[in-house]
Amino acid sequence: SQTIHQWPATLVQPVGSPLSLECTVEGTSNPNLYWYRQAAGRGLQLLFYSVGIGQISSEVPQNLSASRPQDRQFILSSKKLLLSDSGFYLCAWSVRGLEQYFGPGTRLTVT
Amino acid sequence: QKEVEQDPGPLSVPEGAIVSLNCTYSNSAFQYFMWYRQYSRKGPELLMYTYSSGNKEDGRFTAQVDKSSKYISLFIRDSQPSDSATYLCAMSAGNQFYFGTGTSLTVIP
Repeated sequence: SQTIHQWPATLVQPVGSPLSLECTVEGTSNPNLYWYRQAAGRGLQLLFYSVGIGQISSEVPQNLSASRPQDRQFILSSKKLLLSDSGFYLCAWSVRGLEQYFGPGTRLTVT
Repeated sequence: QKEVEQDPGPLSVPEGAIVSLNCTYSNSAFQYFMWYRQYSRKGPELLMYTYSSGNKEDGRFTAQVDKSSKYISLFIRDSQPSDSATYLCAMSAGNQFYFGTGTSLTVIP
């Protein structure tokens, strides 16, 4: 069966510090991978998605970036965090745009 | 106009009630329809998915899709306190997914 991992689960970072969130998927090959942000009381905002190694599509201009160094690894990064980057970050995978599965999420607080 | 509209609630029902959750959408290109359950501070969990108009049943849950009206529903029978969560509808077209903002449900014992 497929499993998706995200870490860390919780993170508190000062403004201006760098960020690296990691997501890995097990049990499937060549998945589509996604990063979403969910602000309190709001819906899911798509940040990035990838259909293959090194292929990244950005949906929202911001100070975040994403990379996919391996087939089942997706990394979300920032060089300098802003207060507005606080939120619940979710990684997800799907195969060919069919049903999508989410990871447990990382709760980021920027202070 | 948003691609997907969902009433945010909150919705509060007594235990044992039938719950109806709904979403409307505007893009006729949507082909795949999903319902997720999200507990507080957890990732969304896929409950049901379907790609055709009609009903799909899984235990106490029934998903209904009406493509002609661009309307989808999730019915929960014999609701339990453990069903208290936020429910998200989602739809896909190609490689992208579009989500409702979620409906908060509380089932009172």
